[in-house]
Amino acid sequence: EMVLTQSPATLSLSPGERATLSCRASQSVSSYLAWYQQKPGQAPRLLIYDASNRATGIPARFSGSGSETDFTLTISSLEPEDVAVYYCQQRSNWLFGGGTKVEIK
Amino acid sequence: EVQLVESGGGLAQPGRSLRLSCATSGFTFGDYALIWFRQAPGKGLEWVGFIRSKAHGGTIEYAASVTGRFTISRDDSKSIAYLQMNSLKIEDTAVYYCSRVSRSALGNYWYYMDVWGKGTTVTVSS
Repeated sequence: EMVLTQSPATLSLSPGERATLSCRASQSVSSYLAWYQQKPGQAPRLLIYDASNRATGIPARFSGSGSETDFTLTISSLEPEDVAVYYCQQRSNWLFGGGTKVEIK
Repeated sequence: EVQLVESGGGLAQPGRSLRLSCATSGFTFGDYALIWFRQAPGKGLEWVGFIRSKAHGGTIEYAASVTGRFTISRDDSKSIAYLQMNSLKIEDTAVYYCSRVSRSALGNYWYYMDVWGKGTTVTVSS
């Protein structure tokens, strides 16, 4: 069964720093991978689809890259409002990764 | 503006039933698949069930954890999706979200959720 592994579990950075989040699939998903942001008490929000396409209204500081089994979500300059859990998701079985919690130092 | 609004959550005793609704607006409901997720307190996202558009057969899939107990349906004339939850268990306690499923630009795979409702809370307790 497909497994998505996200790392690190928690990322603690200062405002303005670059955040790099990883998502590894146990088998190839081609580029069918999406990223979501979930702030405390809120529903998830789509950030990236098809590995690298920003969703409507998503700031340019968010970018996605990767293919096959290794994917990265990058926040180029962390803002305080980016505090959230970030999930990756692939096209089979509606499976999400375990999430990366981004905190501000 | 595209919107999905869930309702119908609340407190239910084990073994009882609840019906959740997902009212939508701002898009052609019949063109899209809809999916229900849930999130138990402090946990990740778990898919519950999925219903395709009628153009794609209107077929439905369920997670193993709810198969035989939960039923998804859709009323395209009202732009509403439903989640009928029977024989509720304590472990069904969660926030339930409905989402619109969109198609990849790379191929004919409908797999990512571009719009989400705010969720409705279901608590199963005696």
